[in-house]
Amino acid sequence: QVTLKESGPGMLQPSKTLSLTCSFSGFSLSTSGMVVSWIRQPSGKSLEWLAAIDWDGDKYYNPSLKSRLTVSKNTSNTQVFLKITSVDIADTATYYCARSERGAGYFDYWGQGVMVTVSS
Amino acid sequence: DIQMTQSPSLLSASVGDRVTLSCKASQNIYKYLNWYQQKLGEAPKLLIYYTNSLQTGIPSRFSGSGSGTDYTLTISSLQPEDVATYFCQQYNSWPTFGAGTKLELK
Repeated sequence: QVTLKESGPGMLQPSKTLSLTCSFSGFSLSTSGMVVSWIRQPSGKSLEWLAAIDWDGDKYYNPSLKSRLTVSKNTSNTQVFLKITSVDIADTATYYCARSERGAGYFDYWGQGVMVTVSS
Repeated sequence: DIQMTQSPSLLSASVGDRVTLSCKASQNIYKYLNWYQQKLGEAPKLLIYYTNSLQTGIPSRFSGSGSGTDYTLTISSLQPEDVATYFCQQYNSWPTFGAGTKLELK
């Protein structure tokens, strides 16, 4: 059974760095073809893909946010991390992690999401 | 980036209706198009991938079609549990999503 769960600070101040963790089970990010992405959704709005990391450690970023994003994984391939620097109010959103397979392009398993509010 | 335009933004239909949702890409996406259903307070759920492939466990009343820049999600007989917002997503380049169609009961 594949499950993913996001965790984060809940609230942080503008200009700070947001750190998020995606913990998953039921698959390993060491398995060839596996990819974990971060996707966010402001309340009442659409979805925005942010970044991804694959089984080989290759990283992919949304070009419009690339300078602020860093995605990584732990050595046991059970967690993926996302850091967003210099946050502002526009980064307030629910952040999801989701699984896909290289070349498949669809997100078949999603976490429940973690709400992050940027406020002074 | 590839822009995805969904229409309508809001759709009201009755139980049993055949419902059609549209998604248009800003350029040819070669059928690399997925559909998700998102119910209030929940994460998106994959319905259809690669234009017309039904995800495991999804009812057969859901179907997808299209090519080039124009794609459609069809619900053959609307059920109360289908009330949700539906998003299309392309992956011909880095993934982008449409703004969504909110489906409600009339």
